[in-house]
Amino acid sequence: DAGITQSPRHKVTETGTPVTLRCHQTENHRYMYWYRQDPGHGLRLIHYSYGVKDTDKGEVSDGYSVSRSKTEDFLLTLESATSSQTSVYFCAKWTGVNTDTQYFGPGTRLTVL
Amino acid sequence: AQSVTQLDSHVSVSEGTPVLLRCNYSSSYSPSLFWYVQHPNKGLQLLLKYTSAATLVKGINGFEAEFKKSETSFHLTKPSAHMSDAAEYFCVVSDQGGGGNKLTFGTGTQLKVEL
Repeated sequence: DAGITQSPRHKVTETGTPVTLRCHQTENHRYMYWYRQDPGHGLRLIHYSYGVKDTDKGEVSDGYSVSRSKTEDFLLTLESATSSQTSVYFCAKWTGVNTDTQYFGPGTRLTVL
Repeated sequence: AQSVTQLDSHVSVSEGTPVLLRCNYSSSYSPSLFWYVQHPNKGLQLLLKYTSAATLVKGINGFEAEFKKSETSFHLTKPSAHMSDAAEYFCVVSDQGGGGNKLTFGTGTQLKVEL
């Protein structure tokens, strides 16, 4: 157990609806990340956070927003879901400079019809 | 900018034979390098990491990787494949320049292990 959970684990939604995915860590690591995984692309960074209310864009941020009101929770929102956002979404936390490792949650499989 | 190239999208080996998964990287900084493994319908598990200490890195389940700066490579090896090694493997480079720890993933190598 990497001390990081995601909810929901599976979701099916319709085009145009808003969707929020939740990531929760049991420790107080400052940095958290959202990635999407698509065949042939590996994982790509959507957004990341370096503290409460401190976030920044990643490589594929269009159509996504994030929020971090507490250290332990990092939310990813699709304001108006599109079929191109069908993917598996992973959250991760970074354990800091000394150990320099990202640990990943179990993933959320999102299908947009 | 940093990048990772995994030279083989699919590798097939027989059980008991050696495994070689190839990875080349590009980074503006002194990089940290990782290999993650993903079993079917599972999350990502850290296999091993290089963070500027010993160039030969040992990981879990008998895997190891060697950092070669002159060749910008970080190939993953295992002397003897096991059926349970069948999974997708990702080579990853970390760039701490500018703050944080931004990972760039390779596109993955699917390892198939046959009897």
